Parts: sequence; structure tokens; C-alpha cells
Amino acid sequence: QLQLQESGPGLVKPSETLSLTCTVSGGSISSSSYYWGWIRQPPGKGLEWIGSIFHSGSTYYNPSLKSRVTISVDTSKNQFSLKLSSVTATDTAVYYCASGGDDSSWGAGPFDYWGQGTLVTVSS
Amino acid sequence: DIVMTQSPDSLAVSLGERATINCKSSQSVLYSSSTKNYLAWYQQKPGQPPKLLIYWASTRESGVPDRFSGSGSGTDFTLTISSLQAEDVAVYYCQQYYSTRTFGQGTKVEIK
Repeated sequence: QLQLQESGPGLVKPSETLSLTCTVSGGSISSSSYYWGWIRQPPGKGLEWIGSIFHSGSTYYNPSLKSRVTISVDTSKNQFSLKLSSVTATDTAVYYCASGGDDSSWGAGPFDYWGQGTLVTVSS
Repeated sequence: DIVMTQSPDSLAVSLGERATINCKSSQSVLYSSSTKNYLAWYQQKPGQPPKLLIYWASTRESGVPDRFSGSGSGTDFTLTISSLQAEDVAVYYCQQYYSTRTFGQGTKVEIK
């Protein structure tokens, strides 16, 4: 059973880069059976997919955030990370890391494992 | 981008009664060669991450009570709670995983 845990600063200044890490336990981040993603939720609002990274190294990003987002994997630490540049107050949200199954027959599935989420506030 | 639209935004249902949530995608999420609909439903309670309830539009995740059911195909989908329990009070989201990922705006379910 996978477990995911987000970590990173809870406060980021406007125009700076938000950096978060998700530590995976109970499975290998190098496994071709999983893919990894980031989702955020502004206070009192709905869920927004930020992006995903696959075993192949391929990344897919929300078009509305694509110019500012980078998702990468650190296999030595069994972690994946999110970087979001040039943040503004509208990037204030709870950020979740999540994983889903990736199968050669039917492709990538929904997110079935989630971290507890971490609140990131953008403010000077 | 595939846009997901849920209706209603909120609903209040009496305990033991049926709750129905609709989800419409802006294009089909049915992958014809596999006859699978790339559509999932999540439940989110306050202060918690979303929990996967249903995938492939109608397959219940392990451990999910059978009062939760999903139906639909192509662009129109429904989540039904057959007999609402107090612990079902939550926000429910549909999500397509046919092309990248997008979520519906959420439907808040409350007790009447």
C-alpha cells in the first residue's frame, strides 16, 4: 500500500518559486506500475490538476499552468517534486501529491493514493 | 481540454433517501477499443484528501459501500447514493482521465 507525504514551505513570497516534495513509501517511484501527480485546491474551492509524471519521464501539465510548472523525480530518495514559478496570491492552496496505476493495456488510471495535503500561502 | 460539468452544485437529501449527481464531459471519454469510460468519482470530506470511490465509470473501489454506484457512458455520467447515510455528507467530484486530467467543480451533499 503506497503512502505519500508532502513537504515544503508553508509560506512563499509573491514572484518567488513554490517548491514541494512528495515522499513515497510502500513502493518504488521507479516502478512502471505507477504514475505520479500534483493537484491543488484553493481554500473553499474545487480540485485543480497541476500535472503528472510517468515512468518514462514524460510529463503532462495543465495548460493554464504549463509555463510555470516543472515536475521531476528523484529516484535516489523515492521522491517527486513540484516547482511553480512566479507565484501570486491566486496560487494559495492546499497542494496534494497523488499516484495512480499505469497499465500497458488500459493506460493510466485515476488517482487512488493521495497525500494528506499541505497548505501553501503566497504572501509578502 | 476536456471540461467536466457537474450538476447540481449542491443538494440536500433526507437520511435513507437517494442522492443523484450528474457529470457531463465536453467530449467523449469512452475509449472505444477497450469499451472503457475513463471517468472516476471521488468523495472529499472536510480537512481530508479526496477518496476514490468509482473508476471506469461504474467499478467500485475496494471497500466502498455498495450504496454507491456509477453509471453512464460517453459524455454523460451519474453517481448515485442509494440510501444516504450521515457519513456520506461530503463534496463529490467527477474526473476524466481520458486526456490529461480534469475535475468537475464538485457537488456538495448535505442532510435535509
